[in-house]
Amino acid sequence: GDSVTQMEGPVTLSEEAFLTINCTYTATGYPSLFWYVQYPGEGLQLLLKATKADDKGSNKGFEATYRKETTSFHLEKGSVQVSDSAVYFCALSDIGYQKVTFGIGTKLQVIP
Amino acid sequence: DVKVTQSSRYLVKRTGEKVFLECVQDMDHENMFWYRQDPGLGLRLIYFSYDVKMKEKGDIPEGYSVSREKKERFSLILESASTNQTSMYLCASSGPGIQGYTFGSGTRLTVV
Repeated sequence: GDSVTQMEGPVTLSEEAFLTINCTYTATGYPSLFWYVQYPGEGLQLLLKATKADDKGSNKGFEATYRKETTSFHLEKGSVQVSDSAVYFCALSDIGYQKVTFGIGTKLQVIP
Repeated sequence: DVKVTQSSRYLVKRTGEKVFLECVQDMDHENMFWYRQDPGLGLRLIYFSYDVKMKEKGDIPEGYSVSREKKERFSLILESASTNQTSMYLCASSGPGIQGYTFGSGTRLTVV
């Protein structure tokens, strides 16, 4: 079945550092790919998405590119802020019923 | 904005009780989902529904049932709560196309 692999963390960075969170996936067909963010005490929010190979999703300074050849969708941000501290989930969708498979989530801690 | 509302943020129930978790969305979404979130395991799909009175088992349906009598409401039922059902429960909905999910804030259930 479909699966998403990402490190659990925590990833600890200083403010203004460069962020990369790796995500790889296994799926049949051509899934859509997502990054969600969960701030403390809240539900998940959609951060960005990409629906086909070589698409780049972007939002709030975060970017991720759909790489079919490496089955990856790594999340990047050039300069993180303390307010970016959260858990980040990579996910892919089954187009039929829009059923989504999530990774384990990566906790990011940004220190001043 | 689409809103997904879960009726309780925190619940404490006793072993053996029947527990109802309610979820309501206000954007006429057809698809609704129940996940549980546990440390080290990420999000796991319990049940989903793509239409009124329709339901499909997810990856971990054992010990749970659901009800969808109206399009906007999707209820998760724990028939006889057990301590291993202590978890964060997240409801989500989605509309047509590849939009991603909108999540509620979650219900943290403790079974004692």
